[in-house]
Order: sequence, then structure tokens, then C-alpha cells
Amino acid sequence: SQKIEQNSEALNIQEGKTATLTCNYTNYSPAYLQWYRQDPGRGPVFLLLIRENEKEKRKERLKVTFDTTLKQSLFHITASQPADSATYLCALVNSNTGKLIFGQGTTLQVKP
Amino acid sequence: EPEVTQTPSHQVTQMGQEVILRCVPISNHLYFYWYRQILGQKVEFLVSFYNNEISEKSEIFDDQFSVERPDGSNFTLKIRSTKLEDSAMYFCASSGAANQETQYFGPGTRLLVL
Repeated sequence: SQKIEQNSEALNIQEGKTATLTCNYTNYSPAYLQWYRQDPGRGPVFLLLIRENEKEKRKERLKVTFDTTLKQSLFHITASQPADSATYLCALVNSNTGKLIFGQGTTLQVKP
Repeated sequence: EPEVTQTPSHQVTQMGQEVILRCVPISNHLYFYWYRQILGQKVEFLVSFYNNEISEKSEIFDDQFSVERPDGSNFTLKIRSTKLEDSAMYFCASSGAANQETQYFGPGTRLLVL
């Protein structure tokens, strides 16, 4: 079955540094992959979508890469701020129904 | 900015009771979803709904679950006979298309079955 894995250990970094989160998947060839942010007790909030034919996507301080050979996506936050502290979710997209298959998320803590 | 709304924010019920969770998706969206998240676990897909019918459902979405779009604005999830293991946060989401599109999530309904 389709499996998507993110680093379950929390990531603690110092303000101003770059955070890098990893998402690996198996038994699937997604056309798209999305990244969401989730704060405690809240719903996921969409951040970025990357297509299989795109190697890299940027939005302000965010950057996502997608390697379909390695079956891996990397999510980077540059010049991190304490307000970036949250859980970041990777999701595979079923292009017919829109169903999202989420990873368990990686919690990022940015210390001032 | 348009947003998905959900009611109630919290629901406490006794095992075996029926619950209806309500969602108002973004008005011009065509695809609707329910997800759930058990405390400390990942967000899990339950069902997708398009053109007044279910387009996909997960193994979790058994005969105890149903969805309905009773009018042009509401989208509901009904659990007929709740079990303890149904306790979770339930999120509604909507999008303008099935792919290439952001899914907008509501704030969730926290369901506690006693």
C-alpha cells in the first residue's frame, strides 16, 4: 500500500537558520505533492504544491524539491523565525479524486 | 478571504448515539472532503464527494458513516452509532478541482465519545 514517511522526531533549530524537512514515499507515483502547515488544534493550511515535472518550487522563504527517482521531497524554510514553529505535513495527491494521503508530520521548533 | 467553517467546534456524545458534523465549504468549490485526526496521529482521509456523490472513500468510512449535501451550502458527516474509537478531530475540506488545487481545511470538530 501507499506509504509516506516524515521524520517523526521534532526538529529544533535556532532563529535565522534554515530548516530542512524530509518526506519519503513508496508504492506510489504521485503527479503532485503538497506541503501543509498545522498548528496545535487547528486544521492544515496549504503552503506549496509541486508537480512531478518540477524539480523545485519557491514561495517567499519556502522552497520545495521533488525527486521522483528517489521518491523524496525536501521542504526548506530559510531565515527561520519563531513564528515558523508548527507541524509540517507532506501529502500525496490522488489526481482523480483529490484525496490527500498525509505523512505523520514533522514538528519544527525555532528558538529565538 | 473565504474560509471553510465547521460546527460544532466540540461535541461530546455517548457511545451508540448518532452525531452529525456540519461544514460550510467555500461557496464556488466543487469538491468536498472529510478527514479525521486521532490525537497524536496523522490526518486520515475519510471520503471525497463530487457532483452529489461519493467519489472515493477509505476503509474507515464504513456503513456507520454517511455524507450529504442537503442544500447548496452545507456538507454533513453523519456517524450513526458512535464508538469510542470515533473520538477524533474531524476536518472538512473543499477545493475548486480535484487536482492542482489547494484544499482549504476548516477548523475542525473535536468529537469525544464516552
